[in-house]
Amino acid sequence: QKEVEQNSGPLSVPEGAIASLNCTYSDRGSQSFFWYRQYSGKSPELIMSIYSNGDKEDGRFTAQLNKASQYVSLLIRDSQPSDSATYLCAVNWGTGFQKLVFGTGTRLLVSP
Amino acid sequence: DAGVIQSPRHEVTEMGQEVTLRCKPISGHDYLFWYRQTMMRGLELLIYFNNNVPIDDSGMPEDRFSAKMPNASFSTLKIQPSEPRDSAVYFCASSYQGQANTGELFFGEGSRLTVL
Repeated sequence: QKEVEQNSGPLSVPEGAIASLNCTYSDRGSQSFFWYRQYSGKSPELIMSIYSNGDKEDGRFTAQLNKASQYVSLLIRDSQPSDSATYLCAVNWGTGFQKLVFGTGTRLLVSP
Repeated sequence: DAGVIQSPRHEVTEMGQEVTLRCKPISGHDYLFWYRQTMMRGLELLIYFNNNVPIDDSGMPEDRFSAKMPNASFSTLKIQPSEPRDSAVYFCASSYQGQANTGELFFGEGSRLTVL
């Protein structure tokens, strides 16, 4: 079993719709969860972090965490073509926060 | 303020050759990470340093790979000898204590390596 799993996509949504991206992880001891966005040919950039069960909202983005189910998701409301990118789920591994394990990413395509 | 600087941006080499990738972290950052990204395996952590000391190198695939950080402003990742399966984008990222604890890493633009 992979440590962090994501559907590779592509996930296609029309402009203005809600995009829902999902991620599962295998280490029950993980405490920190992150979503990074990576545009084609570019480097990853952090867009959301979440540490507690429930929802965390930041603008059009909402991260959701369910530690019992080992599941974390990212919702993007009012999707824009500029949101088209690969979204990487990252989970801390082991006792420290520093070691992040990334999923392979979900490619999101937002059509005008 | 300059971000993480990596060189070269692109490297094409032949199997068996030595490859050296370089990274200059953001000034003041005390964590440095080397990641490798491929389509099949995604973004994999190879090694990370704290205050120039290697903390975890469990992701280094084999003895052909080595990394050093001689000072706070420079790190290298070396592959000797290189093989076609090493072809990937290699990212360097840096962070400081507070940011590392929040998972915010600052990535360089990457070095795309092709081994023929």
